[in-house]
Amino acid sequence: AQTVTQSQPEMSVQEAETVTLSCTYDTSENNYYLFWYKQPPSRQMILVIRQEAYKQQNATENRFSVNFQKAAKSFSLKISDSQLGDTAMYFCAFPSNTGKLIFGQGTTLQVKP
Amino acid sequence: EPEVTQTPSHQVTQMGQEVILRCVPISNHLYFYWYRQILGQKVEFLVSFYNNEISEKSEIFDDQFSVERPDGSNFTLKIRSTKLEDSAMYFCASRRREGRGANVLTFGAGSRLTVL
Repeated sequence: AQTVTQSQPEMSVQEAETVTLSCTYDTSENNYYLFWYKQPPSRQMILVIRQEAYKQQNATENRFSVNFQKAAKSFSLKISDSQLGDTAMYFCAFPSNTGKLIFGQGTTLQVKP
Repeated sequence: EPEVTQTPSHQVTQMGQEVILRCVPISNHLYFYWYRQILGQKVEFLVSFYNNEISEKSEIFDDQFSVERPDGSNFTLKIRSTKLEDSAMYFCASRRREGRGANVLTFGAGSRLTVL
């Protein structure tokens, strides 16, 4: 079965600091994508970053980057220079072989001033 | 940038009433999805829809739920007889079939359903 696990229900970070959110997954697929979505208090789901499994280079989008360890099936999100607007719930997600996204349980991130 | 549009943003209904949530996916997208999120919990898959039929549904998507694409643009989720536990945020999402970004789901802003 394909599963996604986020083991940190809540995290906090000081403004301007760096924080890393963890995600592990399980799949027998070899070629796939991984995603991080952000859900701010408005509850909209916003794509933050995606990683293609066949690419060894870690994806980067401005202050957001991932540490993708394919063998370990780990896909963590690093947020550098944290800003107050980064306060949100973050979901790791993995598309099943039928195309639907499987989400982790989410990590609530609080950025403190 | 193209977006998925959902209406209503918030609906309050009495238990046992029928509810229809509406979605307008991005125009060149061919796969459509409904997800549900009970407050503070994970986002759960309900159903996927392609080529005018359900391609996959979860165990949550029982006989009380149905989906329809009545006019080629709208994509609706109907709950026939709402229960208290149907109170949640419902997200519509869509994606392309081919090309770069075909694997990316674009989500609507969600419809919040409150069942009293």
